[in-house]
Amino acid sequence: AQSVTQPDIHITVSEGASLELRCNYSYGATPYLFWYVQSPGQGLQLLLKYFSGDTLVQGIKGFEAEFKRSQSSFNLRKPSVHWSDAAEYFCAVGARYKLSFGAGTTVTVRA
Amino acid sequence: DVKVTQSSRYLVKRTGEKVFLECVQDMDHENMFWYRQDPGLGLRLIYFSYDVKMKEKGDIPEGYSVSREKKERFSLILESASTNQTSMYLCASSSESGANVLTFGAGSRLTVL
Repeated sequence: AQSVTQPDIHITVSEGASLELRCNYSYGATPYLFWYVQSPGQGLQLLLKYFSGDTLVQGIKGFEAEFKRSQSSFNLRKPSVHWSDAAEYFCAVGARYKLSFGAGTTVTVRA
Repeated sequence: DVKVTQSSRYLVKRTGEKVFLECVQDMDHENMFWYRQDPGLGLRLIYFSYDVKMKEKGDIPEGYSVSREKKERFSLILESASTNQTSMYLCASSSESGANVLTFGAGSRLTVL
């Protein structure tokens, strides 16, 4: 069975500081991996995805993620956080029709 | 620029009522999905559809049904709403060529009293 664990429920970061959100997955084959962001009152927006190839993927809004097969991880990073990055972030794994989502990590940005 | 539209953002219903949640997408996507979002649980798949009149159960289908009579529209039905169905419901769509890249609607927050 596929599953996703996001170990951090809530992270607070200062504006301009770096951010890393952790994601660990369980999947029986080569996974499709995703990060989505949800701003308050909004639906989810795709930040980036990994299907194959280069294990460091670039996404929108200055985010990047690195796939590490040996660690079953797909951590999300941003070098310098902006106040507008305050949101909830979801990691997802799956293929074809069924994606499994993590419980989410809420990011608070302090001035 | 809206691509997945959920007709009701907020609904309040009473226990036992029949509830319809409507979702329309304008991207000609083959696949449509209904998720339920609860704090601490993330998103859980209720049902999905890969073609008109076709549907498949997701991880938590109990207490729900769906209807897809047209390609662009996917409805979630709660035959007899219960308080434990109070939640945020998210509709999403994807194309067959899109490799599971989901486009989400803004969500429908349902409260069952």
